[in-house]
Amino acid sequence: DGGITQSPKYLFRKEGQNVTLSCEQNLNHDAMYWYRQDPGQGLRLIYYSQIVNDFQKGDIAEGYSVSREKKESFPLTVTSAQKNPTAFYLCASAPEGYNEQFFGPGTRLTVL
Amino acid sequence: KQEVTQIPAALSVPEGENLVLNCSFTDSAIYNLQWFRQDPGKGLTSLLLIQSSQREQTSGRLNASLDKSSGRSTLYIAASQPGDSATYLCAPRRTNAGKSTFGDGTTLTVKP
Repeated sequence: DGGITQSPKYLFRKEGQNVTLSCEQNLNHDAMYWYRQDPGQGLRLIYYSQIVNDFQKGDIAEGYSVSREKKESFPLTVTSAQKNPTAFYLCASAPEGYNEQFFGPGTRLTVL
Repeated sequence: KQEVTQIPAALSVPEGENLVLNCSFTDSAIYNLQWFRQDPGKGLTSLLLIQSSQREQTSGRLNASLDKSSGRSTLYIAASQPGDSATYLCAPRRTNAGKSTFGDGTTLTVKP
């Protein structure tokens, strides 16, 4: 099955801890994205990557970090510097030409 | 900065009605616009993608139109069904390698 997988589905973090969210795609897409969604709101872009070993900050990158060492993987680390990390995190990818975006099932992060 | 508004925020209709969801954006210089569906607690499912050179796209009971000059897109759903109940989001993209900006969505409830 081709698609985008995110893990874990639910994640709980204590204050002061860093956590890493996984995003893997087997669609051979060039571009990958991380979004944050808060209740009742649309998506806000955290980071995006158009090619391996390159990525750009989105609108709300502070307190987050990413890497793109492989085409199929784009992990997101939520650091202790992110003051309000409780949210639903969505990963997406898009093929060459950056046309249609496809989304994973999401990870719900809760800070205890 | 692109701003996207979706009206209404919520809509409830009886089964079988035809309905229109609206999406307005402030920067008309877009590359394409994508409509998505999101079920509660789930990722986004792509419904339709309209390129900037197109006026409309159709898929089954769904028809999306685009008027770049006025900064508007509409999603028309024919003969609505309870299974159409979800949140619908629109996302115009600035350039072919640029970022998409998401509206807050319209939450649709179709009553049997």
